[in-house]
Amino acid sequence: AQSVTQLGSHVSVSEGALVLLRCNYSSSVPPYLFWYVQYPNQGLQLLLKYTTGATLVKGINGFEAEFKKSETSFHLTKPSAHMSDAAEYFCAVSGDNNAGNMLTFGGGTRLMVKP
Amino acid sequence: DTGVSQNPRHKITKRGQNVTFRCDPISEHNRLYWYRQTLGQGPEFLTYFQNEAQLEKSRLLSDRFSAERPKGSFSTLEIQRTEQGDSAMYLCASSSDLYNEQFFGPGTRLTVL
Repeated sequence: AQSVTQLGSHVSVSEGALVLLRCNYSSSVPPYLFWYVQYPNQGLQLLLKYTTGATLVKGINGFEAEFKKSETSFHLTKPSAHMSDAAEYFCAVSGDNNAGNMLTFGGGTRLMVKP
Repeated sequence: DTGVSQNPRHKITKRGQNVTFRCDPISEHNRLYWYRQTLGQGPEFLTYFQNEAQLEKSRLLSDRFSAERPKGSFSTLEIQRTEQGDSAMYLCASSSDLYNEQFFGPGTRLTVL
């Protein structure tokens, strides 16, 4: 079984400040890891993913995440927050080869950006 | 690239009624997934199709829920005898065999009164 824990259901930063959203996972097989963003009343948009290879992955809108196997973490960062980054962010894991690589999501972190 | 589409976007129904949602995946994608998202939570997996075959169903999918994907193209999710606890956003996603990346539709928001 797989699971995802996102520490902090709400994170507030000032515009221009560093964004750090935390994600820890558990998986009995090598995981595929994803970060999705969701704007109000919309579906999920993929920010970035880790499957194999380089552990630091870059995504859209200036976001990046680092896969740390020893810490079972996949934290999401952005050097400088923008007002348009305010949204809900979900970390997800797959890779147990069941259900066609179904995604198991964390509970989400709502990012608020103050002017 | 038209993306994943879902209809309707919103559905309000009375308890006990049946509802049906439709998902049209990206045309070349053979995998299709349904998820349910309740307020303030992450999406939860419901079921998965590989082409027209339904290969996996979550325990969340009670016998009041049924999903189909005839001809391996669009999919429908039907809820019979709706309950207030069924109120949620129902999300559809699709992917190809080559890339482990799911593309999500905008969702159907169901409200059961």
